[in-house]
Amino acid sequence: QVQLVQSGAEVQKPGASVRVSCKASGYVFTTYYIHWVRRAPGQGLEWVGLINPVGGRTNYAEKFQGRVTMTRDTSTSTVYMELSSLRSEDTAVYYCARVRDYRGGYFDYWGQGSLVTVSS
Amino acid sequence: QTVVTQEPSFSVSPGGTVTLTCGLSSGSVSSTYYPSWYQQTPGQPPRTLIYSTNTRSSGVPDRFSGSILGNKAALTITGAQADDESDYYCVLCMGSGLWVFGGGTKLTVL
Repeated sequence: QVQLVQSGAEVQKPGASVRVSCKASGYVFTTYYIHWVRRAPGQGLEWVGLINPVGGRTNYAEKFQGRVTMTRDTSTSTVYMELSSLRSEDTAVYYCARVRDYRGGYFDYWGQGSLVTVSS
Repeated sequence: QTVVTQEPSFSVSPGGTVTLTCGLSSGSVSSTYYPSWYQQTPGQPPRTLIYSTNTRSSGVPDRFSGSILGNKAALTITGAQADDESDYYCVLCMGSGLWVFGGGTKLTVL
C-alpha cells in the first residue's frame, strides 16, 4: 500500500535550519511529484513547493524562495525539505503529499505530518 | 500576488445543504485551474474529497460534489452530517508548477 512516512518532530531556534524527510513506499517513486504543504497554528493550509523525483527539479512558492530547498534520494525513495533562517512564524505541521501530474493533479496520499517548532 | 478566496466560516443544519466556494481575487476560476477540495480535522492530515473540479476521490460519499458556479469553484454537501464539521480547503493549480490554497472554510453543523 502507498505510504509516505515523515520524520519526527523538531524543535529549532530562530535563525537555524530544519530538515524534514518523507520516505515513500508502495509505488514507483519516480512516477509521482512530491509536494510540501504546511499548516501553522490558527492558520490554513499553505503550499510550500514541489520536487520532481526524476531529475530533482523544484518549484517553490514565492514566499519561501531563497529559504527552502527540496531534494530527493532515489536510492531510498526519500524526499527532503530544508527550511533555513527559521522564525517563529515557521512553527507548523509540515506535510508531504504526492501528485501524479505536474498540472492538473491532486494530492492523493499524504504523510502523517511533522511538527516543527521554532522557539528560543 | 494571486489570492484564492474562501468563506472563512459557514454553518449548516443537520440534513441541510451547503455550498462552499473558491474564487480568485482577480479573475475567474475555471476547470483549467483543476480545483480540488480537501477536508481536515484537527490532528489529521487532509483528506481528499474532490479533484479536477468534480471528480470524487475514492471512498468519498456522493453527498459531496464539486462544480463551477459562476466564476468560482464550488463544493456542495447535501444532507450534512455532524461529522462533516471540519475545515475545508480548495487548491488551484496556477500553472508553471505553482499551487495556491484558499484560506479555508470552517464548517459548523448545528
